[in-house]
Amino acid sequence: AQSVTQLGSHVSVSEGALVLLRCNYSSSVPPYLFWYVQYPNQGLQLLLKYTSAATLVKGINGFEAEFKKSETSFHLTKPSAHMSDAAEYFCAVSDDGESGNTPLVFGKGTRLSVIA
Amino acid sequence: GAGVSQSPRYKVAKRGQDVALRCDPISGHVSLFWYQQALGQGPEFLTYFQNEAQLDKSGLPSDRFFAERPEGSVSTLKIQRTQQEDSAVYLCASSFRQGGNQPQHFGDGTRLSIL
Repeated sequence: AQSVTQLGSHVSVSEGALVLLRCNYSSSVPPYLFWYVQYPNQGLQLLLKYTSAATLVKGINGFEAEFKKSETSFHLTKPSAHMSDAAEYFCAVSDDGESGNTPLVFGKGTRLSVIA
Repeated sequence: GAGVSQSPRYKVAKRGQDVALRCDPISGHVSLFWYQQALGQGPEFLTYFQNEAQLDKSGLPSDRFFAERPEGSVSTLKIQRTQQEDSAVYLCASSFRQGGNQPQHFGDGTRLSIL
């Protein structure tokens, strides 16, 4: 069974500082990995995805993530935080299910606060 | 718009009432998923459709939950005899085709409150 662990339910950074949100996954097969962002009272917006191509993935809004198989990690980073980055971030894992059913398995989320 | 549309955005019901939540996926998207998101948690899978076929309903918490997608486009999630533990945000997502590498596009959800 797949699972995702996001270390830190709440991360606070200063504006302009590095953002690092941690995600570790468990999967018995090569996974597909995703980061989504959720703003209050909205659905989830895809930031980036890893689908077995390049291990360093660049996404929208200056975010990127690196797939490290040896560490079963897919941490999300951004060099310089903006106030607009304050939101809830979810890491998710999927694979190619037998019937084509490929639901995402989500972590519990990390709330990012950005301090001026 | 071109995104996934869900209605209503907010629904308040009394315990024991039936509710119906609607999802309009992106046009042409084959796969449709329903998720339940409890307060402060990540979304959890409920059920999956490929076109009109419901291929997996293993995440539905009880037989009070029922979903359909009769023409392979709009989907409805129905909850009968609602209970307080059904209070959550219900998210619908669609993807262009099946496959774990396909990004899922989410609607804004329906926030269901059971009194």
